[in-house]
Amino acid sequence: AQSVTQPDIHITVSEGASLELRCNYSYGATPYLFWYVQSPGQGLQLLLKYFSGDTLVQGIKGFEAEFKRSQSSFNLRKPSVHWSDAAEYFCAVGGDYKLSFGAGTTVTVRA
Amino acid sequence: SAVISQKPSRDICQRGTSLTIQCQVDSQVTMMFWYRQQPGQSLTLIATANQGSEATYESGFVIDKFPISRPNLTFSTLTVSNMSPEDSSIYLCSVDLGADTQYFGPGTRLTVL
Repeated sequence: AQSVTQPDIHITVSEGASLELRCNYSYGATPYLFWYVQSPGQGLQLLLKYFSGDTLVQGIKGFEAEFKRSQSSFNLRKPSVHWSDAAEYFCAVGGDYKLSFGAGTTVTVRA
Repeated sequence: SAVISQKPSRDICQRGTSLTIQCQVDSQVTMMFWYRQQPGQSLTLIATANQGSEATYESGFVIDKFPISRPNLTFSTLTVSNMSPEDSSIYLCSVDLGADTQYFGPGTRLTVL
């Protein structure tokens, strides 16, 4: 069975500082991996996805993620955080047309 | 991507009643999904709705409680039946636009009193 762990429930970061969100997955085959963002009162927006190939994936809003098979990880990063990045971030693993989501990480941005 | 809309965006309902949530997408898609997001929680898949076939429900979800319709390739409805306060959640639909990639609607925030 596929599963996702996001170890950090809540992260606070200063505006302009870098951000890294951790994601570990469990999946029997080569996983499809995703990061979604949910702003308050909004639906989910796809930030980026990994299927195969280059392990460093670029997404929207200046985000990137790196797939590390040896560590079963797919961590999300942003070099410089903006106040508008305050949101809930979900990592997901997919296969057979189903997505399994992690519990989410809430990001707070302080001025 | 696609433009996905949901109606209503939010509602407050009395226990014992039912609410039907609509999901409309601006292109034809084979696979649509319904998720529940309980307060402060992650997303849980309720069912997969493919046009022309019965919806496939995940463990813990039953058709009598969450009947789904999928009359065409751009539309689906989810009904939450005989509601109780425990059904208070955000309900989201999503569509698969290919390559196992799902795009989500804005969600319906349901409060049951």
